[in-house]
Amino acid sequence: DGGITQSPKYLFRKEGQNVTLSCEQNLNHDAMYWYRQDPGQGLRLIYYSQIVNDFQKGDIAEGYSVSREKKESFPLTVTSAQKNPTAFYLCASSILDTSNTEAFFGQGTRLTVV
Amino acid sequence: AQKITQTQPGMFVQEKEAVTLDCTYDTSDPSYGLFWYKQPSSGEMIFLIYQGSYDQQNATEGRYSLNFQKARKSANLVISASQLGDSAMYFCAISPHDYKLSFGAGTTVTVRA
Repeated sequence: DGGITQSPKYLFRKEGQNVTLSCEQNLNHDAMYWYRQDPGQGLRLIYYSQIVNDFQKGDIAEGYSVSREKKESFPLTVTSAQKNPTAFYLCASSILDTSNTEAFFGQGTRLTVV
Repeated sequence: AQKITQTQPGMFVQEKEAVTLDCTYDTSDPSYGLFWYKQPSSGEMIFLIYQGSYDQQNATEGRYSLNFQKARKSANLVISASQLGDSAMYFCAISPHDYKLSFGAGTTVTVRA
């Protein structure tokens, strides 16, 4: 079945550590996105990518980094520079088509700093 | 840059009644797509409906319909015949030509029996 897989589902991080969240899609989508969601809040865009080896900062990129070495994969690293990383992280992908760019989402990763 | 505004943080609706969720947006891009997503308490994002900026007719998908007023930059979602399973958070989103998909703050809908 085609879809987006995020792993792990739950992640615990000690302060000062970097952690990497995985996002893989087999939908052959060009565009991929990372969002952060705090409790009861909306989705805020961290990074997005439209093509391999290229990505753009979203609205809250500070303290995060990404790579897009393969079309299928868009991992997100939460660095120690991110002072408040505890949140729900959602990865999404979509085709690049101006007629309808519905995004498909993974199940999310809940990151907690301990 | 684009911006999505959802002014209703929470709404209550009686089962079987209709509810309208407001969404206004701001973009300088003449070509864009508007989306509504549903997020139940489980956290998954469920796509509901799409409206293109050049579409002449309002989009409909089953019990969901969009009241699209381009001049007012408004794309309100109407859920008809509400069901208990409609209780969730609802997000409006916009995707302009650069595919920077941005979301509003969301509206929590609670359906009462």
